[in-house]
Parts: sequence; C-alpha cells; structure tokens
Amino acid sequence: GEDVEQSLFLSVREGDSSVINCTYTDSSSTYLYWYKQEPGAGLQLLTYIFSNMDMKQDQRLTVLLNKKDKHLSLRIADTQTGDSAIYFCAETTGGGNNNDMRFGAGTRLTVKP
Amino acid sequence: EAQVTQNPRYLITVTGKKLTVTCSQNMNHEYMSWYRQDPGLGLRQIYYSMNVEVTDKGDVPEGYKVSRKEKRNFPLILESPSPNQTSLYFCASSLHRQSNSPLHFGNGTRLTVT
Repeated sequence: GEDVEQSLFLSVREGDSSVINCTYTDSSSTYLYWYKQEPGAGLQLLTYIFSNMDMKQDQRLTVLLNKKDKHLSLRIADTQTGDSAIYFCAETTGGGNNNDMRFGAGTRLTVKP
Repeated sequence: EAQVTQNPRYLITVTGKKLTVTCSQNMNHEYMSWYRQDPGLGLRQIYYSMNVEVTDKGDVPEGYKVSRKEKRNFPLILESPSPNQTSLYFCASSLHRQSNSPLHFGNGTRLTVT
C-alpha cells in the first residue's frame, strides 16, 4: 500500500521554530492534512492543503508542499509549550472522491521551556 | 456543541467476551469511520460508512464488525476480542466522503484485552 512517513520525535526550545516533515508516496493525493493530538484527546484538524498549492499560511502555521518530491512540512513559528503534542500528517487517496485517509505514525513534538 | 462522542473511554475485557464501542455524531454527517492507533503505526482504518446502511472495509477489518442503522450512530463490534486488538480506537465523521471534507474525531476509546 501507499505510505506516509514522518520522523517520530522532535524537541525544540520555547520560542524557536519547529519544522515537522512528512513524505508520502501516492502521486494521486489530492488533499494533505496536519492533525494535532493532545494527551487523552482525539485528533484535531490544524490545517490542510490542496495538492495544487505550494504553500499555505495560517497565523503561526506554515505548510509547504513539494509535490515533485512528495514532501510536506509544517512549520510552527514561536513554538510554545502548549504546542507539545503529536502531529499527524495525512493524505487522501482516490482522486478527490475518497475521504479514506492514510496517516503517518505521528511526530511527538516536545517543547522545552 | 458539534462533536463526535465515543463510549466508553476506557475498557478492559477478557479474550472472547463480545463488546461494543459506541460512536455518535450530532453534525448530520454522512461519512463515518473507525481507526485504531498503535505506537509507531499511526492510525489505520478499520471500517467506514458512506451513509446509512452502507459500510465497507478499511485496511484492518479482521475481527471487527460495524453497523450503520441510523445516520448519527456507528458502533464498532468485537465479537470475540483477542489481545492483539488491544489498542486506542477513534471514531471520526465528516460531512461527506469527498476529500475536502475534514474529519472530526472523537476522544478515543482505550481497549485492553487480556
């Protein structure tokens, strides 16, 4: 099957920028998502990007998509301790008519004061 | 408040004892789905439903059943649980199946099968 891969851990200092990377293999991916999971909670949608876009910015979050390399990144500016969580990259397959997402294993972000 | 509600949050059971995890959404969503989350594996889809009375297998359906008799409810049934089904389970829903419709997740059910 198609894979979505992420590194499992990232540690940064409060106030620094965090960059979480993701690679995917399905070239027919239409939407790519970033979800945040806080302890004891479900996944919360942070942002998503359509595959014909290169970049999307939303306040402290910047999503970059390199479709040629199938590489997606999430940059969090001025990282705060409240940003500590697991971040999941996900893609939808099936050419836009399918919401059956494939998720990466999640990157655990730890923000040190 | 718009939400996806799962029950119970925690469940410990023994091998072979049938159990049901309930999921309900109040957003009139057509699409609902069950995932399991395991360390290092991310979320894997178990079953999904495009609408009432329409269900289909995801990536890891073995050992699970679902039903969709009403739009708001999508229970997950383990007829004969085994220890390898110990996991964290999430129910999710979206307005429709198209991929521009974000998934809304419940808070999870942590199942332990001994």
